Amino acid sequence: GAVVSQHPSWVICKSGTSVKIECRSLDFQATTMFWYRQFPKQSLMLMATSNEGSKATYEQGVEKDKFLINHASLTLSTLTVTSAHPEDSSFYICSASPTGSGGYTFGSGTRLTVV
Amino acid sequence: SQQGEEDPQALSIQEGENATMNCSYKTSINNLQWYRQNSGRGLVHLILIRSNEREKHSGRLRVTLDTSKKSSSLLITASRAADTASYFCAPYGGSQGNLIFGKGTKLSVKP
Repeated sequence: GAVVSQHPSWVICKSGTSVKIECRSLDFQATTMFWYRQFPKQSLMLMATSNEGSKATYEQGVEKDKFLINHASLTLSTLTVTSAHPEDSSFYICSASPTGSGGYTFGSGTRLTVV
Repeated sequence: SQQGEEDPQALSIQEGENATMNCSYKTSINNLQWYRQNSGRGLVHLILIRSNEREKHSGRLRVTLDTSKKSSSLLITASRAADTASYFCAPYGGSQGNLIFGKGTKLSVKP
């Protein structure tokens, strides 16, 4: 079945530093990938839609200069949290849908803790 | 894209009992998907039911879909402690858009 690999699983960083999270589709091509954020005891919130070869589409309230998205190939999208602050601590999840499947495959998520 | 609303918000049962969760949505769909999320982990795709299907089974899972009522239900039979998780429904309109998730149903299965 379709697999999405997300890396790293967890990361702890200092305030002011940047963190990159990778999302890879292992056995299918994904022209579109989605990035979600989930705060404790809350539901997933869509942050942005990553489009291969073009700019990402950000949801309202998500700072595009802070959350940099790069979808450089059909199997890789990256989310970089720049100048991280403690309030950026959250669970970040990516997903992609193999063409024609009608379903979505999610990565295992990245737990970001900013200290 | 549209959001599904799960009900109840929380459910606590004993091991061996059945758990039923409901989902309502507002507009027409191509399919509806159910996901599970264990605490602090990613989502797991459980089952997809298409708009022309009324019921679908997968192991101990049974999903129903009533497009006239715009509702779906997920039944977990003979529940186990390992079923403890949050369950989300995601109605899908058919375009290659994103899924929007509601607050989910938090299921707790006590041994």
